[in-house]
Amino acid sequence: QKEVEQNSGPLSVPEGAIASLNCTYSDRGSQSFFWYRQYSGKSPELIMFIYSNGDKEDGRFTAQLNKASQYVSLLIRDSQPSDSATYLCAVPARYNFNKFYFGSGTKLNVKP
Amino acid sequence: GAVVSQHPSRVICKSGTSVKIECRSLDFQATTMFWYRQFPKQSLMLMATSNEGSKATYEQGVEKDKFLINHASLTLSTLTVTSAHPEDSSFYICSARVVRGGSTDTQYFGPGTRLTVL
Repeated sequence: QKEVEQNSGPLSVPEGAIASLNCTYSDRGSQSFFWYRQYSGKSPELIMFIYSNGDKEDGRFTAQLNKASQYVSLLIRDSQPSDSATYLCAVPARYNFNKFYFGSGTKLNVKP
Repeated sequence: GAVVSQHPSRVICKSGTSVKIECRSLDFQATTMFWYRQFPKQSLMLMATSNEGSKATYEQGVEKDKFLINHASLTLSTLTVTSAHPEDSSFYICSARVVRGGSTDTQYFGPGTRLTVL
C-alpha cells in the first residue's frame, strides 16, 4: 500500500463549479498534510497545509481533514480555467519530517 | 516569503559533460534542501536530501558519484550531474524546508531546471 494515494484523473468540472480532490494516506499517525498545485511544465507550488481535523479555508480553497477515515480533501470553489493543473497531496513521514510522501497527483481540467 | 530560486532554468549539453544546478533560498535560511527529478507525465521522485555542512543523503538507486550535491551555506545547495547522458534528461527541481516546528515544517519548491542531454 502506498503511503499517499490519489486518483490520477483527469477530473473535469465546468467553470464556476466546485472541484473536489481527494487524497488518502496509510499512516494513521500522520499529523500534517500539504496540497501543492503543479502546472504543466512547472514546479509545484504550495497551496495550503492542514494539521487539525475539520476544515481550513483560504480564499477559494478549502482543505478538509478526516483523521479517523485517513483522508484529506481539497475543495476549489468557483473553479476557473486557470485552476487547471495537477494537484499533489503530500504527507511528511511521521518520524522524519524531512521526508515527504507525495501522491501521484490528480489532474484537474476546468472547462470554460 | 519562502522564495526558492534555481539556476539555470534550462540547459542543453552534450553527452559526457557535467552540469551544475544551483538552488538558493532567497529570504530564509535552509538547513535542509531536497533534490527531485520528474520525467514527463510522471510523479516527483526524491533523489537526495541535502544538509548544510554535512553529506547528502541519497535515495535508494540514486548514484551519489553521478549526482554530486554540495550544501555549503544556509542558502545554497548545488547539484552536479557528472558525465551526463541522454537518459539523464529530465526536469530537476529543488525544494527547501521552512522550519515551523515539527510536523508543520514546509517544503517550498524552486522553479526547476530542464536538462536536455544530446
